[in-house]
This record gives sequence, structure tokens and C-alpha cells, in this order.
Amino acid sequence: RKEVEQDPGPFNVPEGATVAFNCTYSNSASQSFFWYRQDCRKEPKLLMSVYSSGNEDGRFTAQLNRASQYISLLIRDSKLSDSATYLCVAADSWGKLQFGAGTQVVVTP
Amino acid sequence: GAGVSQSPSNKVTEKGKDVELRCDPISGHTALYWYRQSLGQGLEFLIYFQGNSAPDKSGLPSDRFSAERTGGSVSTLTIQRTQQEDSAVYLCASSLVGQGAKNIQYFGAGTRLSVL
Repeated sequence: RKEVEQDPGPFNVPEGATVAFNCTYSNSASQSFFWYRQDCRKEPKLLMSVYSSGNEDGRFTAQLNRASQYISLLIRDSKLSDSATYLCVAADSWGKLQFGAGTQVVVTP
Repeated sequence: GAGVSQSPSNKVTEKGKDVELRCDPISGHTALYWYRQSLGQGLEFLIYFQGNSAPDKSGLPSDRFSAERTGGSVSTLTIQRTQQEDSAVYLCASSLVGQGAKNIQYFGAGTRLSVL
């Protein structure tokens, strides 16, 4: 079983709509969590850190549920430029990151 | 530059040859990571260097793979006797601290390795 699991998608989203997806992590000792974004044939880039109380960054909202060991990402008012693969990441106390395989989001006009 | 630099950006080699991939992390970053990503797949962890600690080599797929980090800065990933299944994008990342919520990894653009 992979340490971080994600629905690969694709999630096909009309422009302007809201899309949300989760990932689950198996290591209960995971300390910190992130969402990264990866465009086709590009390197991953940090989208946002995920805090225990949940946090927003513009149209993006991340939530962490430690009891159920899942992280979620919600994108409001989707833009065409949001089309990408979103990677869920869990890190242990030593900083070793485990990446999920990614959830593909396709925003359509 | 200010970011993580990897070279070469593309490498084509023949099966059985050795290759060396280089990563220049962001200056001052104590942690350095190597990942591999095959087409359409997620990131596969290879190796992790953190300060002066022994590296975490748990992700290296075989003894043909090795990595060094000299002087706590530049790292070289070496693949000996390359096989076609080694074809992938090899990504390097660095971060400022090795633990805690600020362990944000910054990635290089990767080296695309093709083994013919």
C-alpha cells in the first residue's frame, strides 16, 4: 500500500465551478502536509501548506483531518489555468516527504 | 541563479553505459532529495541527504544507483550499466530545514534520461 494515496482523476470541471478532492496518508506520525501542483512535463511547485485548522489561499482551501488521516483541496471559481496535476504530500518529523501520485484536474471552457 | 539547477536537462545514452546527473541546490539549503518520475506516474523517492547525517538511501531501486553530496552542496546521482527501464525524468529538490512545517521543497527542472 502506498503511504499517500490519491484519486488519479481526471476531474473534468467547467470553468467557474468548484472542485474538491482528497488524499489519504497511512503514516500517523506524519507531521506536515502540502499540496503541490505539477503542470505537464514540468517540475512540481508548492501550491500551499496545509495547517491543522485548515487554511485558504485565494480560491484554494486546504483541510486536514488527522483522525481520519486525510487531506483535502478545494478549488473555487475554477480557471482554465488551474488545469494541472495536484500532488498531495505528507512529511515526517525528519523532513522526508511522501508524494501521492497526483490528481489530474482538467478545467474546460 | 536562485533556484535548484540540474544538468544536463536531457541525456540520451545507450543501454549499459554509466550516466551522471548533477544537482545544484539552493544555496544554504541543508536537505537535498532525488526523485524519479516515469511518464504519467507519480514521484518515486530515491535518496535524501540532510546535513551531515547518513543519507536515506531506502528508495534506490538497485545497487546500480548511487548518489553523493560533496561539501553539503552539489549532489551527483550515478546510474551504472543503464537499462531501458531507467528512462525517466530525474528530479532534484532542496529545502531549507529538514523537519517541521517549513520543510518546503523546491524542485529543479529535472534531467530527462532516455536509455536506448
